[in-house]
Amino acid sequence: DVQMTQSLSYLAASPGESVSISCKASKSISNYLAWYQQKPGEAYKLLIYSGSTLQSGTPSRFSGSGSGTDFTLTIRSLEPEDFGLYYCQQYYEKPLTFGSGTKLEIK
Amino acid sequence: EVQLVESGGGLVQPGRSLKLSCVASGFTFSNYGMNWIRQAPGKGLEWVAYISSGSSYIYYAETVKGRFTISRDNAKNTLYLQMTSLRSEDTALYYCARRGTTVGGFDYWGQGVMVTVSS
Repeated sequence: DVQMTQSLSYLAASPGESVSISCKASKSISNYLAWYQQKPGEAYKLLIYSGSTLQSGTPSRFSGSGSGTDFTLTIRSLEPEDFGLYYCQQYYEKPLTFGSGTKLEIK
Repeated sequence: EVQLVESGGGLVQPGRSLKLSCVASGFTFSNYGMNWIRQAPGKGLEWVAYISSGSSYIYYAETVKGRFTISRDNAKNTLYLQMTSLRSEDTALYYCARRGTTVGGFDYWGQGVMVTVSS
């Protein structure tokens, strides 16, 4: 199985700051990577797919980069609504696997 | 508006069975592959099963293979997960999620339904 590692389980930042969340795959997954956001009481939301393609409705302050084994989700100029949980997920092969999540909190 | 609404969860004893449902609306259900994904309390996300739009392709996580059965009724816009021989480690919030056709990943998720396996 492809193991997905999000090294930071917790990240605190202030509105207006920029943050990056990393995700590492145990083998090359090309660009078959998605990023999700979850906020309390809300359904999971697909933010980015194919490593860097913004899903419709995702604000342009979000960006994704990387391919192969190393990926990064960057959020520029954090807004209050950006705080929550972020997960990466590979869809290169089954079983589909997720990172352990990074909780982004307000400093 | 795309909506996925899960139901059928609850408290069940180890070794018993339970069937989850996910009713879809706001899109042509029969055109999309669907998934079940779960999240144990305090844990991360685990993909459970996938079924293609016409039910031709079905895949399971090894942890549930042989015990869980995914199915769908396109006439009723409903996805199912039949769970048998339940174990305490199956305790989780179960989500149904749509596989994107032109986008990768799961483009819509339900709110989830809780399954608790305990005596």
